[in-house]
Amino acid sequence: DTAVSQTPKYLVTQMGNDKSIKCEQNLGHDTMYWYKQDSKKFLKIMFSYNNKELIINETVPNRFSPKSPDKAHLNLHINSLELGDSAVYFCASSQDDSSGGAGIQYFGAGTRLSVL
Amino acid sequence: GQNIDQPTEMTATEGAIVQINCTYQTSGFNGLFWYQQHAGEAPTFLSYNVLDGLEEKGRFSSFLSRSKGYSYLLLKELLMKDSASYLCAVRDSNYQLIWGAGTKLIIKP
Repeated sequence: DTAVSQTPKYLVTQMGNDKSIKCEQNLGHDTMYWYKQDSKKFLKIMFSYNNKELIINETVPNRFSPKSPDKAHLNLHINSLELGDSAVYFCASSQDDSSGGAGIQYFGAGTRLSVL
Repeated sequence: GQNIDQPTEMTATEGAIVQINCTYQTSGFNGLFWYQQHAGEAPTFLSYNVLDGLEEKGRFSSFLSRSKGYSYLLLKELLMKDSASYLCAVRDSNYQLIWGAGTKLIIKP
């Protein structure tokens, strides 16, 4: 069974549309993340959720909104898509231990978003 | 500000050894990670260092010097399948992971 799964794998859409990407993890982790990786391959954190609370929200446009119905799911909604949103979006999860645990992050396979 | 530096690209020969360096300046330190990312795939965990010294795991080893803000990933007996990007990431005092831009490693026969 896939540990972190995200759908769809490919998403091609027009500017101005609204789309969602889903992510699920079956590892029992308590923190989930969304990353954006652009054409230069730089991995940029967008959001993370810990026990249903947003704990990181970088300088991401408010067109992007994470939704977590439970700790195994963290979906990403994007409104009014723009050309610059074209990138690969990765979901990840970890079991964080603020007293010194490794907190290794496990990544989904990625969603390749192309905005035309 | 917080900064992670690693070379953009390196080239090595199959069967040889390569060392990928990473220097960091972060607000606090709670561990350093190395991830491998093959083209078109997700990053996968390679190693974790939180104390100074060398961690060895098969053909891969990772070294950390906290006083110097420095780490390296050493890959031995290189295989063609080791061609990938290698990402250095540091966990800061808030337990947030700060990522480097990655080093693209090209292995030649």
